[in-house]
Amino acid sequence: SQQGEEDPQALSIQEGENATMNCSYKTSINNLQWYRQNSGRGLVHLILIRSNEREKHSGRLRVTLDTSKKSSSLLITASRAADTASYFCARTAAGNKLTFGGGTRVLVKP
Amino acid sequence: NAGVTQTPKFRVLKTGQSMTLLCAQDMNHEYMYWYRQDPGMGLRLIHYSVGEGTTAKGEVPDGYNVSRLKKQNFLLGLESAAPSQTSVYFCASRNGDTRRTSGEQFFGPGTRLTVL
Repeated sequence: SQQGEEDPQALSIQEGENATMNCSYKTSINNLQWYRQNSGRGLVHLILIRSNEREKHSGRLRVTLDTSKKSSSLLITASRAADTASYFCARTAAGNKLTFGGGTRVLVKP
Repeated sequence: NAGVTQTPKFRVLKTGQSMTLLCAQDMNHEYMYWYRQDPGMGLRLIHYSVGEGTTAKGEVPDGYNVSRLKKQNFLLGLESAAPSQTSVYFCASRNGDTRRTSGEQFFGPGTRLTVL
């Protein structure tokens, strides 16, 4: 079963708008990562946030983590058509494995 | 650097046939992983390896075997393919030294497998 669940499952926005997606999980984590997957391609790492961090930025990306609520959010500001992709959260607990959520499909309309 | 490569890109099998998927990485990573992705879903871990000569089961290992004879290669085998194994298979690798890395995984482009 997938421990991370993304919400919403799909999102459609206009270019220039912000896109926000959320990820919830059930057990404690060491860190949480976000990946992007363009159609028909492999996953690309976007950002990692550790369990002792609350917010992290990378370019137009902002990730927050609330360990008390077991949730994380990914915000893409000023979206572009090239941001059209599926976005996955993946958590790392003890060990060397990632557990992925089901993903959020984002469509940015020009 | 080529990063993570996968061979083949596409394959169609008949039920009961066998095949091997090859993953190669040129980043000297210790850890390697095999995932499957079904339509509209995230990735599920099949098997993984934390070093040459070692393998371990992931979330959905049944029907698959793996081998890591060389550090740069990780092979995924299907001994007797079933239609339920129709999926896209992704390989990934990661540096094992978490003091020097964020723990991100680097993914290959995927192998699309159809079992009839």
